[in-house]
Amino acid sequence: EAQVTQNPRYLITVTGKKLTVTCSQNMNHEYMSWYRQDPGLGLRQIYYSMNVEVTDKGDVPEGYKVSRKEKRNFPLILESPSPNQTSLYFCASSPYPGGRRETQYFGPGTRLLVL
Amino acid sequence: GQQLNQSPQSMFIQEGEDVSMNCTSSSIFNTWLWYKQDPGEGPVLLIALYKAGELTSNGRLTAQFGITRKDSFLNISASIPSDVGIYFCAGFLFGNEKLTFGTGTRLTIIP
Repeated sequence: EAQVTQNPRYLITVTGKKLTVTCSQNMNHEYMSWYRQDPGLGLRQIYYSMNVEVTDKGDVPEGYKVSRKEKRNFPLILESPSPNQTSLYFCASSPYPGGRRETQYFGPGTRLLVL
Repeated sequence: GQQLNQSPQSMFIQEGEDVSMNCTSSSIFNTWLWYKQDPGEGPVLLIALYKAGELTSNGRLTAQFGITRKDSFLNISASIPSDVGIYFCAGFLFGNEKLTFGTGTRLTIIP
């Protein structure tokens, strides 16, 4: 089954404790992206990647890092989480190139609470 | 970063009613998209619009790409319980390489 998977689905952590949220897709998509969803703000893009070793900032990249060493994986790293990073995070991928890059497939989400 | 203004923020309707929502932007987009998010899941693409003035249907859903390229509309006819969820518009500008999402419209169906 074609899908985007994220782990963990739920995470409670404390301020300053480094964490990584993994994202993996099995559709051989080149484009991958991370979003955060907050009440009243919709989804805002954190980082995106057009291909392996190619990443770029979205609208709200501060406090986050990403890496793209393999096509299928796009982990989101919070080096020193803070309470304002408490949010619902979504990973997405799309078949661009070779397809329309706006056709993004979303993972099930990771709910993060930073105390 | 830019955000899209989506209205209404929430809707409470009865089953069988028609629904209308819209999205406006201060700048133009090449593509307008409408997504639906069910509780506990990620957004799923409903309709994609690629040309100004385009009107596209997907079952009971109809969406339009505004002529000015700065707005889009979504209509749902004869709503059913499974229509409950959050609807997001999103705009895409070639060369920008990212989707800009609206703030969402939460649809609730009153029994």
